[in-house]
Amino acid sequence: QKEVEQNSGPLSVPEGAIASLNCTYSDRGSQSFFWYRQYSGKSPELIMSIYSNGDKEDGRFTAQLNKASQYVSLLIRDSQPSDSATYLCAVPMNSGNTPLVFGKGTRLSVIA
Amino acid sequence: DVKVTQSSRYLVKRTGEKVFLECVQDMDHENMFWYRQDPGLGLRLIYFSYDVKMKEKGDIPEGYSVSREKKERFSLILESASTNQTSMYLCASGGGTTNEKLFFGSGTQLSVL
Repeated sequence: QKEVEQNSGPLSVPEGAIASLNCTYSDRGSQSFFWYRQYSGKSPELIMSIYSNGDKEDGRFTAQLNKASQYVSLLIRDSQPSDSATYLCAVPMNSGNTPLVFGKGTRLSVIA
Repeated sequence: DVKVTQSSRYLVKRTGEKVFLECVQDMDHENMFWYRQDPGLGLRLIYFSYDVKMKEKGDIPEGYSVSREKKERFSLILESASTNQTSMYLCASGGGTTNEKLFFGSGTQLSVL
């Protein structure tokens, strides 16, 4: 059974700062990793995916993957109050066509 | 605009009732999923389906069953509702080989009294 671990938070950062969200996973063979954002009372939505070691940037968001350490992170630059949400890390259960296993999520609060 | 529609946003049922949660997607996805989300426990997979009339158990299938008679519709059935099934139920559909792009419905908050 794959496990995905996240600090539940809340993580509070001031507006304009960098928010750093972390995730560790149990299966060294995992190949793909995803970050979903869930606003309070809403459903999760995909914001980033990463498959290779290193960094992947998309606007203010950067996903970082270190397979050797089984660690994936999400950086949010110039954090805005609208970034306040719960961020869920997810990995596929197995290889191929397979459901996602989600972490419990980290609640981020950006203070204006 | 892609859509996953869940039939009810809020539902209140009594212990022992049979409950049907309906989910319809308009994206022609083969893959559909039912998760429940509870504070402190995160998203947990109940059942999933990769094709019509096909179903697979997830991590917590006990007390639930599913039906997929048509590609666009995936129903979750609580055979005899219990209070520990009070939860937010989220349906999702996904394309691609790893289902990373999951589209979620707006959820059904079920209360079992």
